[in-house]
Amino acid sequence: GAVVSQHPSRVICKSGTSVKIECRSLDFQATTMFWYRQFPKQSLMLMATSNEGSKATYEQGVEKDKFLINHASLTLSTLTVTSAHPEDSSFYICSARKPLAGNTGELFFGEGSRLTVL
Amino acid sequence: QKEVEQNSGPLSVPEGAIASLNCTYSDRVSQSFFWYRQYSGKSPELIMSIYSNGDKEDGRFTAQLNKASQYVSLLIRDSQPSDSATYLCAGLSSGSARQLTFGSGTQLTVLP
Repeated sequence: GAVVSQHPSRVICKSGTSVKIECRSLDFQATTMFWYRQFPKQSLMLMATSNEGSKATYEQGVEKDKFLINHASLTLSTLTVTSAHPEDSSFYICSARKPLAGNTGELFFGEGSRLTVL
Repeated sequence: QKEVEQNSGPLSVPEGAIASLNCTYSDRVSQSFFWYRQYSGKSPELIMSIYSNGDKEDGRFTAQLNKASQYVSLLIRDSQPSDSATYLCAGLSSGSARQLTFGSGTQLTVLP
């Protein structure tokens, strides 16, 4: 099956620093990747849709200047949390859709990255 | 109305029983639906997908879709303690981006 890999799985940083999270599709090319955020005991909330070769589309309430998304190739999207603060501590999960004829919409998820900002 | 709504639970069932998880959706969600299982601290994994009215069975899991009532459910037969997790219902948006919208999740505990 399709595999989506995320790195790092855990990161602890000081307030004010920037953190980059990578999402790779290992065995398929993903023109679109999605970034979700999940706070404890809550569901996944879509942050942005990452499109290869173009600007990401951000959901309402998500600051595009704080959460920088780059999708420079068909297998890699990155999320950079700039000037992170404790309230940004969360579980960040990326996902990608494998291109198929008759696109069923099934998403494959990365393992997630737990960010803790001290 | 939220695009995808779930009973938040928690739901507890004894081992061997049937666990029933329910979800309703709005018009903004298209006709593709997915059930994901998420263990604590892990990312979601796909359990079932359903696109047509009726039932779809896969092992101990049965997904049911009723488009007229905008209702989708997941039944887990012969529940096992290893089934204890949070179950997320998700629907595909009707827009061109085809984003997945998740319900709030139902926490299931199967008691040995």
